[in-house]
Amino acid sequence: QSALTQPASVSGSPGQSITISCTGTSSDIGGYNLVSWYQQHPGKAPKLIIRDVSDRPSGVSSRFSASKSGNTASLTISGLQAEDEADYYCVSYISSTTYGVFGGGTKLTVL
Amino acid sequence: QVQLQLSGPGLVKPSQTLFLTCNVSGDSIGSGNSYWTWIRQCPGKGLEWIGYIYFSGSAYYNPSLKSRVAISVDVSMNQFSLKMTSVTAADTAVYYCARDRSNGYFQMDFWGQGTLVTVSS
Repeated sequence: QSALTQPASVSGSPGQSITISCTGTSSDIGGYNLVSWYQQHPGKAPKLIIRDVSDRPSGVSSRFSASKSGNTASLTISGLQAEDEADYYCVSYISSTTYGVFGGGTKLTVL
Repeated sequence: QVQLQLSGPGLVKPSQTLFLTCNVSGDSIGSGNSYWTWIRQCPGKGLEWIGYIYFSGSAYYNPSLKSRVAISVDVSMNQFSLKMTSVTAADTAVYYCARDRSNGYFQMDFWGQGTLVTVSS
């Protein structure tokens, strides 16, 4: 199975901006604009915050933005708030497959 | 508002079969607008995509679980189910059901509450 690589942890202070990367290959992230990002607070179900690389679903804060360059997708959270402390996961369509693989997840700590 | 309600036992014995059902309200599985997904999360670990099913009954699975997993759908009851055979302690996890409205591209916009299934004798 393809693997999407995320940093295990990132941190930032309130008001700052942080970026979480998700690195794949040309068979997944690099080949398609089908990257999604999820936010998961402890004990809660994940929440879709980004789809199709950079599109925010209705109701998701504009402080969340995302992009892609080559085989790497990135999620940026600006104006960090305490409530942003959570785990973040990326997922991408993989060429010629019919299954999904999540990145390993990144724990965001708001200092 | 779309809601997914999970049901099933919280404790399964090793080597037995795990069976979970996800009842959908606020949307019709038969509309064909979505893929209906199972995802799990082992304690302290990340998300693992198990598989999904379309209203027609076409199901797709994670290759690492495919030999032990079957997802089925009951359009008349507006629910879908997960069956996992020969479970071991490694299958202890919080199991989620979710709606994938993106034609199967892993954009799950509504999730069930999650249920912890423990595999233990």
